[in-house]
Amino acid sequence: DSGVTQTPKHLITATGQRVTLRCSPRSGDLSVYWYQQSLDQGLQFLIQYYNGEERAKGNILERFSAQQFPDLHSELNLSSLELGDSALYFCASSVGPGFNEQYFGPGTRLTVT
Amino acid sequence: GDSVTQMEGPVTLSEEAFLTINCTYTATGYPSLFWYVQYPGEGLQLLLKATKADDKGSNKGFEATYRKETTSFHLEKGSVQVSDSAVYFCALLYTAGVTNTGNQFYFGTGTSLTVIP
Repeated sequence: DSGVTQTPKHLITATGQRVTLRCSPRSGDLSVYWYQQSLDQGLQFLIQYYNGEERAKGNILERFSAQQFPDLHSELNLSSLELGDSALYFCASSVGPGFNEQYFGPGTRLTVT
Repeated sequence: GDSVTQMEGPVTLSEEAFLTINCTYTATGYPSLFWYVQYPGEGLQLLLKATKADDKGSNKGFEATYRKETTSFHLEKGSVQVSDSAVYFCALLYTAGVTNTGNQFYFGTGTSLTVIP
């Protein structure tokens, strides 16, 4: 158990809908990272927050957004969902801002029908 | 841009065999390199890392050496066990600057390893 929790574990929704994925980092970790794992694209970095502020941005679509709250949990919002958004979404956390020593959660599997 | 290329799998080995999973990288600067492992149904776990040329990362019998001259970070283990069956990802961290703002993290495509008794 990495100490990173993600909810929900599974999510099934229809095209055009909007969903919110939630991540709670390990106690004491200030950074949260979001990744997408799909058969087509592999494992891709989406976005990083550090102590409430956006720190780095990867291949995140404009339809996707994220935020980190004062209690350091983070949410990833996916809107206008398409079939191609079906994937496993991982959250990771670390103490510092530098991507080192990331601890990954178990992931949220999103299926768009 | 920066990228990581991993050998394609799947790889199937007998227990106690020697393992090599190749990883090469393309980078404009001096990246840090990582190996992550993903066991079935779980998230990724950091296996080892190296932050500069000639560094050797090691953990649980796995080793990888950061070789700048060949831009490689191959993963090796002398004697694999059934419990090593997993998907292994090579990864690269591009550091944008001293403030750690705008860093980028790239994963390889993953190599599936199955160890049979």
